[in-house]
Amino acid sequence: EAAVTQSPRNKVTVTGGNVTLSCRQTNSHNYMYWYRQDTGHGLRLIHYSYGAGNLQIGDVPDGYKATRTTQEDFFLLLELASPSQTSLYFCASGRDRDYEQYFGPGTRLTVL
Amino acid sequence: AQKVTQTQTSISVMEKTTVTMDCVYETQDSSYFLFWYKQTASGEIVFLIRQDSYKKENATVGHYSLNFQKPKSSIGLIITATQIEDSAVYFCAMSPNTGANTGKLTFGHGTILRVHP
Repeated sequence: EAAVTQSPRNKVTVTGGNVTLSCRQTNSHNYMYWYRQDTGHGLRLIHYSYGAGNLQIGDVPDGYKATRTTQEDFFLLLELASPSQTSLYFCASGRDRDYEQYFGPGTRLTVL
Repeated sequence: AQKVTQTQTSISVMEKTTVTMDCVYETQDSSYFLFWYKQTASGEIVFLIRQDSYKKENATVGHYSLNFQKPKSSIGLIITATQIEDSAVYFCAMSPNTGANTGKLTFGHGTILRVHP
């Protein structure tokens, strides 16, 4: 059974729209992460969290909010989506900050 | 700031041979972690192997091993007896072990490996 799941798997929205991407992990891991993957840039960290209610800023946070409601659930929010946010988004979890990360299957977001 | 560079865009090898993928990194931290991940054709990203900077022994897991050369800031991934299913994109990544940035992975752009029968 997959330990990190993401929903939706695909999403199409229009410029200015609101989007919420969901991630759930059943690894009992403390850390959760949101990345985006783009051709020519590889994987880049947007936001991460080390527990419920905590949020840390990643390397490309502009235009994104995130919220960790429980140890299991981490959400990525795009309140005014722009075409530049068209990307493949991955969620990951890690037992602690110096441990390897385990990735979800990804969400492909298209902003028209 | 950290930087991870994978200079090989793609590599093609014959099945059952050994392949080495290069990775060099830049960091100001004295202690750090190095990782290799694999992304399959389906998009799945899987952790393969890690090296802690304070360990001199090269890590080995199954048919994956690392060539860690700290003075050269280099962490090569070696795959022995390659199989068709090893065809994928391989990412090198690093994380500092000090300060507030511990756990923040910086990835290279990846190397495409094609294994031919």
